[in-house]
Formats: sequence, C-alpha cells, structure tokens
Amino acid sequence: DADVTQTPRNRITKTGKRIMLECSQTKGHDRMYWYRQDPGLGLRLIYYSFDVKDINKGEISDGYSVSRQAQAKFSLSLESAIPNQTALYFCATSDLEVNTGELFFGEGSRLTVL
Amino acid sequence: ILNVEQSPQSLHVQEGDSTNFTCSFPSSNFYALHWYRWETAKSPEALFVMTLNGDEKKKGRISATLNTKEGYSYLYIKGSQPEDSATYLCALMDSNYQLIWGAGTKLIIKP
Repeated sequence: DADVTQTPRNRITKTGKRIMLECSQTKGHDRMYWYRQDPGLGLRLIYYSFDVKDINKGEISDGYSVSRQAQAKFSLSLESAIPNQTALYFCATSDLEVNTGELFFGEGSRLTVL
Repeated sequence: ILNVEQSPQSLHVQEGDSTNFTCSFPSSNFYALHWYRWETAKSPEALFVMTLNGDEKKKGRISATLNTKEGYSYLYIKGSQPEDSATYLCALMDSNYQLIWGAGTKLIIKP
C-alpha cells in the first residue's frame, strides 16, 4: 500500500460544486502539503501544515480551503469549483526533523471542472 | 521570489545513450536543491537532495551535481534505458524552507 494515499484519483465535476480531495499518510510525518500541477508549470503550493494545529497558505490559496483532521489526514476543499481549477493535485508529506528533507507524494488527484 | 528554470523542456534520447539536463536558479541563498523523478500516473519520487556547493550524488546510472556559485545543477543519466522515461523535477528550498519548483524536463527514451 502507498504511504501517501489520495482520494479520489479522478473526478469530473461541474462549476459551482463543492469538492473535497482527501489525503492520508502512514509515514508518521508532521508536515503535509497540497500542491497543484498545471501543464508547463512547476508545482505550486496551495496550503501546508506543519502539525495538526498549524495551517498556512501557500502561493495560490484563493478558492481553496484545508482541514488537518489528524496527523495522518489533510483534506483540500474547493467550496465552489471553477473551470480554471482543473488540474492535477498532489498531496505530500515531509519529516519535521529534517528541514531540508525530501517530500513524499501521493499519486495525485486529477480534477476536471466543466 | 526565486525562479527555477529547467532545460530543456523535453528531450528524446536513444536507448543506450547518455544524457544530461539542467536546473538553474538565480541565487545561492537557499537551503537545498532537490531532484525528483515523476513517471506518468505515479507519484513523484525523490532522487537527490543536495545542500553544498560542489555536492555530487549518485544513484545507479543517475548522478547530479550542484554549483551554487553559478546557480545550476546538472542531472546525468548514463546509458539511458526505457525505464528512465519520466519527467525530472528540480526544486529549490528557499530561506523559509519552502520548495520552489521548476516546470520539469520530460525525458523520452527511444528503443
């Protein structure tokens, strides 16, 4: 089983619908991240959390919200989806004890907003 | 704001040939340089994390170097194999410990 699991893997929805992407991890890491990937662009950080009580906005947080339900779970919500939120979304984790340490990614959630 | 550039955007290489590509950045004020390998429909996976000028890392046929003074990192693949086909992502960890990502180099190995 994957250490970082994202659900759903694929979702097609309509403009205005509320969407939640879920992420769970078994790595025991405190730090969790949500990124967005668009063709031709680098990964862009939406939100990140360094522990359950810590939530921070990233580069492109407008239109998104998150919830850190537990150390292992970090959910991303689109309250009212719009077509330019069509993208591949990645959840990632990293070890708090290693500041320069690598990220561990989920397999991505591909969201299409019609 | 740091800007991370990767070149080329895509690359076709004959199986068995060696290749390299570049990650460039304008500043030496960062904590680490990361390389990731991302196969289609899979998770990006870390290849290397480098922190010091002159760092060289190797994993099998893949190696990387870091030159912080001139602002670049090279990724080398020796004797390319079909399984090397992937997008290679470079990311710079800035002074806030946030990763700034390049757009990636898509490598296609031709049999």
